Amino acid sequence: DTGVSQNPRHKITKRGQNVTFRCDPISEHNRLYWYRQTLGQGPEFLTYFQNEAQLEKSRLLSDRFSAERPKGSFSTLEIQRTEQGDSAMYLCASKWGGGPAGWDFGPGTRLLVL
Amino acid sequence: DQQVKQNSPSLSVQEGRISILNCDYTNSMFDYFLWYKKYPAEGPTFLISISSIKDKNEDGRFTVFLNKSAKHLSLHIVPSQPGDSAVYFCAASADSGGSNYKLTFGKGTLLTVNP
Repeated sequence: DTGVSQNPRHKITKRGQNVTFRCDPISEHNRLYWYRQTLGQGPEFLTYFQNEAQLEKSRLLSDRFSAERPKGSFSTLEIQRTEQGDSAMYLCASKWGGGPAGWDFGPGTRLLVL
Repeated sequence: DQQVKQNSPSLSVQEGRISILNCDYTNSMFDYFLWYKKYPAEGPTFLISISSIKDKNEDGRFTVFLNKSAKHLSLHIVPSQPGDSAVYFCAASADSGGSNYKLTFGKGTLLTVNP
């Protein structure tokens, strides 16, 4: 088990383009979160999956953002019509079971929108 | 509305001395607290945690203290080592329904341990 992986690690795009990020959690983990970290801030919650069900979305997740977790395995986060304010580190975290502990974070995808 | 606050953006200490990182929170529903360490271009790494039913938790060189009445927690690192130099995030959790234990993070404190 190599931990949570995220691809790509870096993405540079022009404003208005669509981008998609992928997160591969630890295989037995049924819970998956997406967070966003902007410069000088801590990570902020975006959305939460339990298996394939998306159970909560933050108000930060505008209608340009969509996340999926087909079959309860990997997850994708798509941003349509990117804006410069979308530039951030996008972090994925996964765990097995309930409770507040035991999260494993991925290395993140750093997005720069020009 | 910053529910978890780390008021010191940076802290510099000498190798071998104690590092004390502080964190305050405002949401009384938080019942679990965690500290993460983060290097540039990497994801956060879990360090230590504490439940609200405790006031202290220790793991090797790391100790977390929780003062519920003051809504304050601190991370003590003794002795500090140069390899501890990183950004430290305080995070808090509460079950917001549907077993969603999302984490609310502070802005982080950059710790520099000088040899």
